[in-house]
Amino acid sequence: SAVISQKPSRDICQRGTSLTIQCQVDSQVTMMFWYRQQPGQSLTLIATANQGSEATYESGFVIDKFPISRPNLTFSTLTVSNMSPEDSSIYLCSVALAGGSTDTQYFGPGTRLTVL
Amino acid sequence: AQSVTQLGSHVSVSEGALVLLRCNYSSSVPPYLFWYVQYPNQGLQLLLKYTSAATLVKGINGFEADFKKSETSFHLTKPSAHMSDAAEYFCAVSEGAGNKLTFGGGTRVLVKP
Repeated sequence: SAVISQKPSRDICQRGTSLTIQCQVDSQVTMMFWYRQQPGQSLTLIATANQGSEATYESGFVIDKFPISRPNLTFSTLTVSNMSPEDSSIYLCSVALAGGSTDTQYFGPGTRLTVL
Repeated sequence: AQSVTQLGSHVSVSEGALVLLRCNYSSSVPPYLFWYVQYPNQGLQLLLKYTSAATLVKGINGFEADFKKSETSFHLTKPSAHMSDAAEYFCAVSEGAGNKLTFGGGTRVLVKP
């Protein structure tokens, strides 16, 4: 497996502002993903963060709202832009390991976001 | 397209009793199937996975799951519940290595003493 950290672990933000969430992995990974878990709900994939190219977004999610960076094989950021209370969720990154079992995703601890 | 249905959003079991969580999936290709557990205020932890090897998969913490292609099911069981099993459990499917996960709605398990 891998050790995955996210920063911040939680935040309370005002509507109209933006928050950047960081995901750091202790080993090189091929795939990084960003998921959203709305209150009391399951997880929904936002996008796949591709190293060296633009992220691939799922239906219903757009780059202007959720810009993603992936500068190297161990790090990615997700920005939640122009936030509204509907963006209050847990945001989780996950990774599939390089050079091994890419069939399994391992998850970070999540970032709990509250938008007022 | 792939999808996952978990029957029962909440399950209550007595300590020492059988835990059975139901998961049915649909997939256009042979699926990879996963069970994850989420403890309060934590991320997801992998319990077990099926990726086309043995159909009875053993995981951590005494859990196991049985892949039944004919029933498109991947139910999770544990013979004897422990108080520490109280958590939310998610079944997920992917269509191969490196592909995205599609999650079921989750089942919250309550363990009664």
